[in-house]
Amino acid sequence: SQQGEEDPQALSIQEGENATMNCSYKTSINNLQWYRQNSGRGLVHLILIRSNEREKHSGRLRVTLDTSKKSSSLLITASRAADTASYFCATSERGSGNTGKLIFGQGTTLQVKP
Amino acid sequence: GAGVSQSPSNKVTEKGKDVELRCDPISGHTALYWYRQSLGQGLEFLIYFQGNSAPDKSGLPSDRFSAERTGGSVSTLTIQRTQQEDSAVYLCASSLVSSLGQGKMETQYFGPGTRLLVL
Repeated sequence: SQQGEEDPQALSIQEGENATMNCSYKTSINNLQWYRQNSGRGLVHLILIRSNEREKHSGRLRVTLDTSKKSSSLLITASRAADTASYFCATSERGSGNTGKLIFGQGTTLQVKP
Repeated sequence: GAGVSQSPSNKVTEKGKDVELRCDPISGHTALYWYRQSLGQGLEFLIYFQGNSAPDKSGLPSDRFSAERTGGSVSTLTIQRTQQEDSAVYLCASSLVSSLGQGKMETQYFGPGTRLLVL
């Protein structure tokens, strides 16, 4: 079952602006990951944040994790037209028998206008 | 090095026919996953292989779906008696598995997917 809920479902911004996407989940997790998908094909891994981490940076990406609220956010700063894509959060659930399978959200479609 | 590869890229079949989708994981990756993505949706977990352990088949939607992984490398997902609702992009991913303190941490690397259309 899909446990991730992402908002907004769609986001349109001008190049140079910041884009913020949010993800909520329901169960206890080992980690949360963000992926990007272009043109409905393969996913590209962006960043992984562990359950004991609160914030992580990678280039223009900033991810936060609030386990008390079971939520995460992805911030893309100084956006570029090339950032146009769908962004998905995915959680790896904690618990016995955890296989590391990922539970994906429905995704946020980001459009960056030049 | 080479990433995850999948074949075919696209497959069009008639309702009731069987299809086989192939995944070549990254060399040395012990874990392999199949996901399905319907149009405009997120990914849905199907099945997971890890080494010689029994696969986690909990995500397979019906007994028409099966998968195998021979020799711990290449995997084949088979859909028997395809239905129109099986139309989707089927994505394969592989990863290394590591256990660090509080649990497994894995980055999954995805292939480009197979776009299946059942007419």
